[in-house]
Amino acid sequence: DAGVTQSPTHLIKTRGQQVTLRCSPKSGHDTVSWYQQALGQGPQFIFQYYEEEERQRGNFPDRFSGHQFPNYSSELNVNALLLGDSALYLCGSGMGTDTQYFGPGTRLTVL
Amino acid sequence: AQKITQTQPGMFVQEKEAVTLDCTYDTSDPSYGLFWYKQPSSGEMIFLIYQGSYDQQNATEGRYSLNFQKARKSANLVISASQLGDSAMYFCAMRDTDTGRRALTFGSGTRLQVQP
Repeated sequence: DAGVTQSPTHLIKTRGQQVTLRCSPKSGHDTVSWYQQALGQGPQFIFQYYEEEERQRGNFPDRFSGHQFPNYSSELNVNALLLGDSALYLCGSGMGTDTQYFGPGTRLTVL
Repeated sequence: AQKITQTQPGMFVQEKEAVTLDCTYDTSDPSYGLFWYKQPSSGEMIFLIYQGSYDQQNATEGRYSLNFQKARKSANLVISASQLGDSAMYFCAMRDTDTGRRALTFGSGTRLQVQP
């Protein structure tokens, strides 16, 4: 049973650049959520996709956008990167009343 | 708005002893779910245990149990017989309504260190 997968594992970008992170949900799951975890803090909810639409959004600027594909996989895009965007980005998947499972995360460093 | 509070930034426990990690929550929703996750230094968020707000009994998963006191709005994690591999960050989280299609709100975490 395949778990949640994310790519890439690590990424280094410079300020002002754009980045795309990818996530494939756990087998059988149809909902993908993205979280940002700054160093030493708990994860913060960015947004959630279900049926290829953004269903919920946290307190993040429009520079953060996403997409969900028909196969339920998802992308997180961040434009005009700031130093403060450096964080671990976690993707979680779920379905119905199922528990939310997380992938290994993508560690983004903005220089 | 939902809020999760974890008041213990760090905890130490001796190997083979039990430890309780505290979590209090605040929500106005009558239906909610409470979670505990373990995050080793590798970064992956590992699901440990889940408690629904209408569950009559406290959840248990192997060495993990959740001490759910609804009136006090607390959902403490109890780890029995601690092992060195239990050293990690532990996060309490909740979501409103008992559906997987809702966002999680996380606490700030507790760093547990198990000593030999």
